[in-house]
Parts: sequence; structure tokens; C-alpha cells
Amino acid sequence: EIVLTQSPGTLSLSPGERATLSCRASQTVSNSYLVWYQQKPGQAPRLLIYGTSTRATGIPDRFSGSGSGTDFTLTISRLEPEDFAVYYCQQYGGSSLTFGGGTKVEIK
Amino acid sequence: EVQLLESGGGLVQPGGSLRLSCAASGFTFSTYAMRWVRQAPGKGLEWVSTVGSSGGPTAYADSVKGRFTISRDNSKNTLYLQMTSLRAEDTAVYYCGKNQGDYSRAIDYWGQGTLVTVSS
Repeated sequence: EIVLTQSPGTLSLSPGERATLSCRASQTVSNSYLVWYQQKPGQAPRLLIYGTSTRATGIPDRFSGSGSGTDFTLTISRLEPEDFAVYYCQQYGGSSLTFGGGTKVEIK
Repeated sequence: EVQLLESGGGLVQPGGSLRLSCAASGFTFSTYAMRWVRQAPGKGLEWVSTVGSSGGPTAYADSVKGRFTISRDNSKNTLYLQMTSLRAEDTAVYYCGKNQGDYSRAIDYWGQGTLVTVSS
């Protein structure tokens, strides 16, 4: 089973700053199957990025994804107040899904 | 508009059983794989199970294999999760999710979740 490790656990930033979130896999992940979600308290997760770098419908272009192999990154270019949330990466392989432990982006 | 509405959660004793349902609308249910994902209180997301568009194939996380059964009724646009031999560590919010497509394996729509509490 592929393990996804997200870092940092918590990111404390101010609105307008740039956020860089990391997702590292224990084995190579297909770029087609690396996904990012956003979750706010009391809400279900929301799809942000799929296929490593493709934004889902309605996702603003300040969100971008990149990476390959075992190292993937979600970047939020300029944090808006509504972006403070927990972010999860997810991969698919061998008929199962695995999620990273999440990165909380909090207001500094 | 895609909607997924889970139901069936509640309080159950250890060793007990529960069946969750997820009513789907707003898309052609019978053409998409569906998934269950859970989230223990204050914890991260954990994939539970997947079922193909026609009812198979199915896949399970090791933590629930042999105890949980995923199924679907395409005539009723409904996804199910039969849970047996429940343990305290199964306590979580259970979300159903629609598979975006085989090209991504992402979950593009999620239900609001239903809480399962396993406690005596």
C-alpha cells in the first residue's frame, strides 16, 4: 500500500501570502491519479485538483498542482480568507485509494 | 445538480450491525463507480470501499474487509454499506462519493456524511 505523507502538518500564514503544501508518496504514483481536496470544518471535502495539475470545475486559478513520481505540491498563490482549511492529497493504485494525513492552513 | 444523501447512521453497540444508504440524483448513477470514505472524529480521511458501476468489482480497505459489504441498486439510484461486527474504531462520519471517472479516480461529489458511533 502506498503511504502519502503530507507536510507541514500546520501552515500559519496571512491572507495574501503564498502557501506551498507537500505530499510525498512511499512509492511512485501515477500522475493521472494524484488528487487534492479541501475540507472546511463541518463540511465534506471538495475536489480541488485531479491528475496532479488539473483544476476541478469552479476552482480558482490561484490553486495549482505540480509534481511527479513521489513528490507532489499544491500551491495557493495568494491566500484568500476562504482558503483557510485542511487540505488532503489522495492517490489511487491497485484498486484502493489512500489519503495523506492532511495539512491545516491557518490564519497567522 | 448532483446530490448525494447518506442515511442510516446512529449509535450501535460493539459487535452490532448497521446499514448505510446513499441516495443519488442529478447524474446517471448506473454509469459511475461509487465509494465510501470515513473520517473519525478529529482525524483524517480514510477510504473504506469502492463498487463498480454495475455492482462489481468491489474493493475494501484492510480495516473493514470481511466485515463490511458495499452494494448498489441502480434501479433505485442508491448505494449501500452493510457494516457488521462493528468496533469502537469504526466510529466516524461516513461519506459516500461519486467517482469522477477512470481517468482520475478522484471523488468529484461527496455527500454530507452520516455519523456512526460504536459504543456501549
